[in-house]
Amino acid sequence: DIQLTQSPSTLSASVGDTVSIACRASHSIGNWLAWYQQKPGKAPKLLMYKASSLEAEVPLRFSGSGSGTEFSLTVSSLQAEDFATYYCQQYNSYPWTFGQGTKVEIK
Amino acid sequence: EVQLVESGGGLVQPGESLRLSCSASGFTVANSNVNWVRQAPGKGLEWVAILHAGSNGYTDYGESVKGRFTVSRDIPKNTLYLQLNRLRTDDTGVYYCARRVPFSGMDVWGQGITVTVSS
Repeated sequence: DIQLTQSPSTLSASVGDTVSIACRASHSIGNWLAWYQQKPGKAPKLLMYKASSLEAEVPLRFSGSGSGTEFSLTVSSLQAEDFATYYCQQYNSYPWTFGQGTKVEIK
Repeated sequence: EVQLVESGGGLVQPGESLRLSCSASGFTVANSNVNWVRQAPGKGLEWVAILHAGSNGYTDYGESVKGRFTVSRDIPKNTLYLQLNRLRTDDTGVYYCARRVPFSGMDVWGQGITVTVSS
């Protein structure tokens, strides 16, 4: 199975900050990586797919990059509604796997 | 509106079975890849299974549920099912169904349904 390791596990930031979350895959997954945002008690929401493609209606302050085994999600100018937990997920091969999550909290 | 709605969760004892339903609207499950994803209390997301689009209904499963869980669909009802057998306490969590479009991630999610396995 392909393991995904996210870092950091927790990130403290303020409104207006730019933050980045890393996701490392144990084997190359090309660009078959998605990013999700999840808020407490809610279903995950797709933000990015194919590593760097922005899902419809997701704000442009979200961006993704990377390929192979190293990926990142960047949120520019954090807004209050961006404080949440973020997950990467690979869909290169079954079983699909998720990273362990990164919680972005208010500093 | 494209929507998924789960039902069928509840409290069961270890070793028992349960069937979850995922009712789709706004799209056809027969033509879509639909997944099950779960989340244990306070934990991260775990991919459980997928039923692929097309007439053959090909399936894939996560290692922890392979041989115990089965995904199926009822095309006239436009509904996906997850049969959970030989349930264990570590199967406790919120179960989501989610649609995946080709080459993309899972773009439509249900609200989630809770399964509790406890004696």
